[in-house]
Amino acid sequence: GQQLNQSPQSMFIQEGEDVSMNCTSSSIFNTWLWYKQDPGEGPVLLIALYKAGELTSNGRLTAQFGITRKDSFLNISASIPSDVGIYFCAGQMYYGGSQGNLIFGKGTKLSVKP
Amino acid sequence: GAVVSQHPSRVICKSGTSVKIECRSLDFQATTMFWYRQFPKKSLMLMATSNEGSKATYEQGVEKDKFLINHASLTLSTLTVTSAHPEDSSFYICSASRAGGYNEQFFGPGTRLTVL
Repeated sequence: GQQLNQSPQSMFIQEGEDVSMNCTSSSIFNTWLWYKQDPGEGPVLLIALYKAGELTSNGRLTAQFGITRKDSFLNISASIPSDVGIYFCAGQMYYGGSQGNLIFGKGTKLSVKP
Repeated sequence: GAVVSQHPSRVICKSGTSVKIECRSLDFQATTMFWYRQFPKKSLMLMATSNEGSKATYEQGVEKDKFLINHASLTLSTLTVTSAHPEDSSFYICSASRAGGYNEQFFGPGTRLTVL
């Protein structure tokens, strides 16, 4: 089935640094979503993007919907210890007037040194 | 708003028994609910999609007689793992989508199933 290429797989950074991760697809999507998952918890929606070229911020997080509709990136500025977790991108496509299933990337594991 | 709960959060059962997991949308009506399975250090794998009052649609490779899904109301869906075996041990996560808007999916906190 469809798959998203998410990179990097893991990151280990110093507190205060900026972080960037991205997802690419061979298919176009109508919606790009970014989730964060803490250990033993379900994913929590961070940012949703609905238009090609859209740039959206949520606090220290910024995400963009690529112009080609085949990619998206997520930036985290000035990382803090509570940013640790696994970040997933997800793409979604309209089919016949209704939303298709979410297609998830494989995740980016973020570890931050205090 | 848009809170989804799951019960139980953890369950340990013996091989051969059945386990029911509940997914509830607490503050909205969920026209569609989704069930995912997640293996350690892996992404979420969609198992099935259920719409209130109709049969669930299962993804390829997911046994519908093994994983029974019931979406009896606009706020409750259940997943029953029948005759559980150790290979069914996993993290099961539901999500719920409400009508209108962009049909965003809101995820529950997950249920850790361990089959001995």
